[in-house]
Amino acid sequence: EDQVTQSPEALRLQEGESSSLNCSYTVSGLRGLFWYRQDPGKGPEFLFTLYSAGEEKEKERLKATLTKKESFLHITAPKPEDSATYLCAVRPYNFNKFYFGSGTKLNVKP
Amino acid sequence: GAGVSQSPSNKVTEKGKDVELRCDPISGHTALYWYRQSLGQGLEFLIYFQGNSAPDKSGLPSDRFSAERTGGSVSTLTIQRTQQEDSAVYLCASSPGRTNTEAFFGQGTRLTVV
Repeated sequence: EDQVTQSPEALRLQEGESSSLNCSYTVSGLRGLFWYRQDPGKGPEFLFTLYSAGEEKEKERLKATLTKKESFLHITAPKPEDSATYLCAVRPYNFNKFYFGSGTKLNVKP
Repeated sequence: GAGVSQSPSNKVTEKGKDVELRCDPISGHTALYWYRQSLGQGLEFLIYFQGNSAPDKSGLPSDRFSAERTGGSVSTLTIQRTQQEDSAVYLCASSPGRTNTEAFFGQGTRLTVV
């Protein structure tokens, strides 16, 4: 069964304190793994797509990596404006839908 | 360019009434998704449209839910005889097509059934 598990559920960091969010997945043939950011009251905002193990993508303080079983979203020297819920999703080859994890709620304190 | 637009932003309805939620996808995007996000829950797939192909309705939770997409663009999600458990944020997303698989989401419609 295709599924996505994200950890931790919540993460509190001090400004400048780097950390990583985890996304473990089980999928019958991976078409892509996606990271989104969601602010309260808003829709998910697309961040990255990763297609194959070993691939990495970067954007400002965020870096996403992918292995055959999990993905990490590394946050380097976070700022309070990075506070949000980060969602991971996978899309299998043979299905039309994205399977989403429950998200990691990140809170960065100044 | 404009992103995915959903209306209304908020909808409060009485139990038993029908509601229609609208989604305007990004121009030129052939794929369209509806998802539901309940408080504290992950995103739940509802339905998928791709061009003129038959929609994938496998995520619709009951026959009270239906959706259509007119002219390969605007989509409407209809919920008949609403129940309190239908209260959630309904999110629409669009994607350029089969090979470009990123989906871009609208702001959502918050539905409250009282």
